[in-house]
Amino acid sequence: KNQVEQSPQSLIILEGKNCTLQCNYTVSPFSNLRWYKQDTGRGPVSLTIMTFSENTKSNGRYTATLDADTKQSSLHITASQLSDSASYICVVYLTSGTYKYIFGTGTRLKVLA
Amino acid sequence: GAGVSQSPSNKVTEKGKDVELRCDPISGHTALYWYRQSLGQGLEFLIYFQGNSAPDKSGLPSDRFSAERTGGSVSTLTIQRTQQEDSAVYLCASRPTSFYEQYFGPGTRLTVT
Repeated sequence: KNQVEQSPQSLIILEGKNCTLQCNYTVSPFSNLRWYKQDTGRGPVSLTIMTFSENTKSNGRYTATLDADTKQSSLHITASQLSDSASYICVVYLTSGTYKYIFGTGTRLKVLA
Repeated sequence: GAGVSQSPSNKVTEKGKDVELRCDPISGHTALYWYRQSLGQGLEFLIYFQGNSAPDKSGLPSDRFSAERTGGSVSTLTIQRTQQEDSAVYLCASRPTSFYEQYFGPGTRLTVT
């Protein structure tokens, strides 16, 4: 069964600290993996996208890694800011003629001053 | 340019009533998705439109749910005889034909009382 699991479910950190969010997937065939940020009351916005041949990609203070062998990805946030408080969703896109995305349940991050 | 828009942003309805949710995709995007996001859950795929092809309705939870896309642009998701379990945020996303990136609207929060 195609699944995307994320951990932790929620996380609270102090402003300025770093954190790492985890994503494990059992999706096949795999095309690409992306991380989205979803602010409360808004739709998800893409942070990074990686194909199976890429193992790291950065977007400002966000760095995503991908290990296609172990089917794990992580999102590292450096020097967190209050505006980083949001849900972070890991999404895997199926390939081979399909067009479906498998969404994780997300990690809810709260950054405190 | 303008992003994906959805209306209404919030809808409160009584159990048993019908509701219509609207999605205006980004101009020129041929693919359109509807998702449902229940509290604490990941995004649940509902229906997918691609150009003039027959839509993939495999995610619709019951025959009370239907959707149409007129002229390859605006889409309407209709829920008949609403139930309390239909309460959720309904998200619409669009993407160009040959590009994986989905662009989400802000969602419609549906509350069935």
